[in-house]
Amino acid sequence: ETGVTQSPTHLIKTRGQQVTLRCSSQSGHNTVSWYQQALGQGPQFIFQYYREEENGRGNFPPRFSGLQFPNYSSELNVNALELDDSALYLCASRPPTGVTEAFFGQGTRLTVV
Amino acid sequence: GENVEQHPSTLSVQEGDSAVIKCTYSDSASNYFPWYKQELGKGPQLIIDIRSNVGEKKDQRIAVTLNKTAKHFSLHITETQPEDSAVYFCAASKGDDKIIFGKGTRLHILP
Repeated sequence: ETGVTQSPTHLIKTRGQQVTLRCSSQSGHNTVSWYQQALGQGPQFIFQYYREEENGRGNFPPRFSGLQFPNYSSELNVNALELDDSALYLCASRPPTGVTEAFFGQGTRLTVV
Repeated sequence: GENVEQHPSTLSVQEGDSAVIKCTYSDSASNYFPWYKQELGKGPQLIIDIRSNVGEKKDQRIAVTLNKTAKHFSLHITETQPEDSAVYFCAASKGDDKIIFGKGTRLHILP
């Protein structure tokens, strides 16, 4: 176990709805990033937060947004859900500074119908 | 743009034999190369990594090699066991920047 926990584990939403996914980072890790993994593909970077500020973003539209809290936990929000948003959403945390390992949670499986 | 290519997409090896997965990366500024193992229904698990100042690293049955000039890196698993069956991802990043993943290799260990 990595110590990174995500909730919920599974979720079904209807197209057009909004969803919030949550992540608790490993103790002492102040950098949290989110990835989307479509079936049969590698994870794709959505964005990263460091000390409550977004410090990197992948090629995802603005309806994907996030937050990081003072305890370094994080949320991923997706508005106006589309069928193509169905995927496994992964959260990863990293310890402070430098070239460091990223540890992933078990993911949230989102299905949009 | 930044890209990581991974081959093969599927690999079947007899139990006890070796497995090799190869990757190439496009961004010459990449300096960190992790490998992840993902089992069904789980998140990716870091199994080994290598930094750009090192050419080779070994951890028990797993070894990684890096050729910065050719922008190639590889994962070698020796004496494969049934529990090695999973999807393996290579990846590249620059420091604490985003991680770029390959598309994965599904490894089957045959009895």
